[in-house]
Amino acid sequence: DIQMTQSPSSLSASVGDRLTITCRASQSISTFLNWYQQKPGKAPKLLIYAASSLQSGVPSRFSGSGSGADFTLTISSLHPEDFASYYCQQSYRTPRTFGQGTMVEIK
Amino acid sequence: EVQLVESGGGSVQPGGSLRLSCAASGFTFNNFEMNWVRQAPGKGLEWVSYISGSGSTINYADSVKGRFTISRDNAKNSLYLQMNSLRAEDTAVYYCARDQESGYDAYDYWGQGTLVTVSS
Repeated sequence: DIQMTQSPSSLSASVGDRLTITCRASQSISTFLNWYQQKPGKAPKLLIYAASSLQSGVPSRFSGSGSGADFTLTISSLHPEDFASYYCQQSYRTPRTFGQGTMVEIK
Repeated sequence: EVQLVESGGGSVQPGGSLRLSCAASGFTFNNFEMNWVRQAPGKGLEWVSYISGSGSTINYADSVKGRFTISRDNAKNSLYLQMNSLRAEDTAVYYCARDQESGYDAYDYWGQGTLVTVSS
């Protein structure tokens, strides 16, 4: 199975901060990498697919980059509604594994 | 509007069975591949199972293989997960999720989830 490792596992940030979360795959997955946001008690929401494509309706302050095994999710300026957990997922091979998640908390 | 609504969760003893359902609306169901994803309390996301639009291709996570069965009824716009021989570690919120059409197999729509609790 392809292992997905996110860092950091959690972080504290302030409204307006620029934030970067990294995701590393245990092997090359080309650009088959997706990012999700999840708020407590809610279903995950797709933010980025194919490493860098913004899902329809997602604000442009979210962006993704990377290819091969190393990827990043960037939020250019944190809004109050962005405090949540974020998960990467590889869709290169079955099983479709997720990273362990990154919890973004208010500083 | 795309909607996915799960049902069928509840409390069951170890070794018991449950059948989850996911009712889909707002899109042409048989054109889309579907998945079940679960989340144990306080934990991360775990993919459980996949089914193609026609139902001809099915995959399972090793953790549920031989115990869970995914199926779909395209005439009823419904997805199912039959869960047998349930274990405590199957306790989780179970989500159905739709594969988007991009070819990158991201999950663009999710249901609200249904909680399965396995406990004696």
